[in-house]
Amino acid sequence: DAGVIQSPRHEVTEMGQEVTLRCKPISGHDYLFWYRQTMMRGLELLIYFNNNVPIDDSGMPEDRFSAKMPNASFSTLKIQPSEPRDSAVYFCASTGGHSRQPQHFGDGTRLSIL
Amino acid sequence: DAKTTQPNSMESNEEEPVHLPCNHSTISGTDYIHWYRQLPSQGPEYVIHGLTSNVNNRMASLAIAEDRKSSTLILHRATLRDAAVYYCMDSYGGSQGNLIFGKGTKLSVKP
Repeated sequence: DAGVIQSPRHEVTEMGQEVTLRCKPISGHDYLFWYRQTMMRGLELLIYFNNNVPIDDSGMPEDRFSAKMPNASFSTLKIQPSEPRDSAVYFCASTGGHSRQPQHFGDGTRLSIL
Repeated sequence: DAKTTQPNSMESNEEEPVHLPCNHSTISGTDYIHWYRQLPSQGPEYVIHGLTSNVNNRMASLAIAEDRKSSTLILHRATLRDAAVYYCMDSYGGSQGNLIFGKGTKLSVKP
């Protein structure tokens, strides 16, 4: 079975540019999570969706960040405009629901904003 | 902030057992205990979870204290591929979205 698929794996862009990260969850999973990992702050939950509906976006750092889930098989995390402090590894994860179910993580997108 | 405490790092020799401790000082009755690990340059990977009883799976064993204020992840025979950062967490109120990753324990395995 395919796991969580993220694209691109690496992204380098200049500050001020729009960045779009993509995620395809595992088929049948109804929860999707976006995390960000930096050396300073570790792994932080940004937002999560249940059945394509955003449930908690309290971790989204500021209005420059937005996330959508137009259908059960696709989600995007967008940063506009991007800043150097947004440089991090962004992970997407999905799960089948109940808190006993493990979250399955993608390999992440390493984002560098110059 | 993470609600669990773990040692920053631990070392083990290859093929020896490893006991990774975790304190869950604020855990409540319905919270599950989860362990994940993160290998270098990869996303976190589920290891094991439990509620009250000790749990075993193909990767590891989880020992949960009677008062549930502490847990121990047991790798029965460490291999070089087990070198990773190990995270323990509680899931609050049984709902998703409340896995708060702390700094974890960085496990080094020596050949």
